[in-house]
Amino acid sequence: KAGVTQTPRYLIKTRGQQVTLSCSPISGHRSVSWYQQTPGQGLQFLFEYFSETQRNKGNFPGRFSGRQFSNSRSEMNVSTLELGDSALYLCASSLDLGQNTGELFFGEGSRLTVL
Amino acid sequence: AQSVAQPEDQVNVAEGNPLTVKCTYSVSGNPYLFWYVQYPNRGLQFLLKYITGDNLVKGSYGFEAEFNKSQTSFHLKKPSALVSDSALYFCAVRSDNQGGKLIFGQGTELSVKP
Repeated sequence: KAGVTQTPRYLIKTRGQQVTLSCSPISGHRSVSWYQQTPGQGLQFLFEYFSETQRNKGNFPGRFSGRQFSNSRSEMNVSTLELGDSALYLCASSLDLGQNTGELFFGEGSRLTVL
Repeated sequence: AQSVAQPEDQVNVAEGNPLTVKCTYSVSGNPYLFWYVQYPNRGLQFLLKYITGDNLVKGSYGFEAEFNKSQTSFHLKKPSALVSDSALYFCAVRSDNQGGKLIFGQGTELSVKP
């Protein structure tokens, strides 16, 4: 079974631009979560989507948004990029049988550099 | 509020010696605890989890963790460290009905020397 796939793996943008990152979850997984990883702040939860609906949201500004499609694939968008948005963005999927017990499976991440 | 603390930024161990990576947590409701490992420029790999039941949980690559409710701890252990265990280790907690939202500790860099 294929793992979580994130594209692109690396990208460079300039301040003020916007970026869209894509995530394909493991087949059959309905929950997709996004995390931002930086050396200073560590791993921070951005949001989670389940059945095309945002189910949980972290403490990030409205410039960070996401969506999930009917096939469970997800995208996240960051508008008006700032230097501080440079980070590794990780996507994770889980089977989510409604019992809170499932582990998350992470992709390799998309490394965003903002110049 | 939920939180996870990994008190050691770095742990150094000689190959063949036992290793411990510490984690304490704070959560309202039932704790669901996880350990992940991250190699350079890679995503996180799941090692093990505690949901309920036996306090000693066994996971991948010979790792195990002990859940201690009174001390709110979930330390990661391995009886004999390998050089290839050198990586960044994260402890995480999820509370009830939080789905895909995990709260991670800051991570502990494990270095195993030959």
